[in-house]
Amino acid sequence: LAKTTQPISMDSYEGQEVNITCSHNNIATNDYITWYQQFPSQGPRFIIQGYKTKVTNEVASLFIPADRKSSTLSLPRVSLSDTAVYYCLVGSSSGNTPLVFGKGTRLSVIA
Amino acid sequence: DTGVSQDPRHKITKRGQNVTFRCDPISEHNRLYWYRQTLGQGPEFLTYFQNEAQLEKSRLLSDRFSAERPKGSFSTLEIQRTEQGDSAMYLCASSLFRGADTEAFFGQGTRLTVV
Repeated sequence: LAKTTQPISMDSYEGQEVNITCSHNNIATNDYITWYQQFPSQGPRFIIQGYKTKVTNEVASLFIPADRKSSTLSLPRVSLSDTAVYYCLVGSSSGNTPLVFGKGTRLSVIA
Repeated sequence: DTGVSQDPRHKITKRGQNVTFRCDPISEHNRLYWYRQTLGQGPEFLTYFQNEAQLEKSRLLSDRFSAERPKGSFSTLEIQRTEQGDSAMYLCASSLFRGADTEAFFGQGTRLTVV
């Protein structure tokens, strides 16, 4: 399973766009990328998942370049409530490996 | 509420005692995961099931830990002879696997304190 590397922490002001990049140099052809968000004392919550190019939903966008060795989670106009830890996961489409979390990126949104 | 349910939410136990946690996944979900999380760390994979079959158990997991999912529905995680280092949040998640992993839904967790 491809190892992921993310920044340990990031700070942002309210209303700004936040981009969190994840490196996954050893991603395999059939692997896909998933991002989760976790608030203190809660379980992680799915944000977005993608395989290539760009995926957008109501809360975030996921950009994946052609070589797929990295991906960027983009949060538009963050608010204080977006303060959380964000995890990037690489999963196999064969489904024969479990979901493995790294240390994540702790995002702090400042008023 | 049709989300993932974990019981108990909190457990305080004395060192050396056995504890058992229960997880009720979303009803149609065939995959069930157990994780352990300590402060400042990401969830650490423990084991996972597809229906009643245990697919993988972390090599880091001591033999004191065992999990079951007897009928492919709820699951239990037992820790025997607890140690202070077992103090953590234990998270359960479920997902519907249909040839590829879909979104995993997590429960609120069981916070274990070993004194």
